[in-house]
Amino acid sequence: GAVVSQHPSRVICKSGTSVKIECRSLDFQATTMFWYRQFPKQSLMLMATSNEGSKATYEQGVEKDKFLINHASLTLSTLTVTSAHPEDSSFYICSASFERETQYFGPGTRLLVL
Amino acid sequence: QKEVEQDPGPLSVPEGAIVSLNCTYSNSAFQYFMWYRQYSRKGPELLMYTYSSGNKEDGRFTAQVDKSSKYISLFIRDSQPSDSATYLCAMSSLDDSWGKLQFGAGTQVVVTP
Repeated sequence: GAVVSQHPSRVICKSGTSVKIECRSLDFQATTMFWYRQFPKQSLMLMATSNEGSKATYEQGVEKDKFLINHASLTLSTLTVTSAHPEDSSFYICSASFERETQYFGPGTRLLVL
Repeated sequence: QKEVEQDPGPLSVPEGAIVSLNCTYSNSAFQYFMWYRQYSRKGPELLMYTYSSGNKEDGRFTAQVDKSSKYISLFIRDSQPSDSATYLCAMSSLDDSWGKLQFGAGTQVVVTP
């Protein structure tokens, strides 16, 4: 149980384009979903927290207009990186939790912006 | 000072040995404690989840929480090369209604055959 999927697993795009990453909880309803970013050999950095049907809460220093988060249902959240630039290249990981229980992570999405 | 301190390693052990990992923390409000395993280029996988103090065992894994010392541990018995990964401790407090996690830096473990 507690499986979280992410799609795509990796994406390469040109600078200036937008990229959407999907996060799905497959076997439970996630009241809260989280989006993280991870640089090589570093720990996870929380970007934002989202609850179904409400606006996401962004961490300090994360541009909400650049990283658009939509949590349309209890099983789906999306992260859109708008007008991506090479410095946005990173490993993006989502997690999902039910009723503030522990978080279950997706497999991650590797984004490379050329 | 970081809220959660974890030695990044690397920690190298021979196959079959016990792997001992630990984290210290400063926030006494932390009540939920987790250990995750992360293989390279993969998302973290939940290994152990403990509420408050005490010990918890699951197969080859044992998690310990000592809230009085603000210290948590993870032991891996009979280690295998497949246990080579980065191990992240994480914790959250009741004060945070959404259960945001504070992570340690992660300890890289290498189990040599």
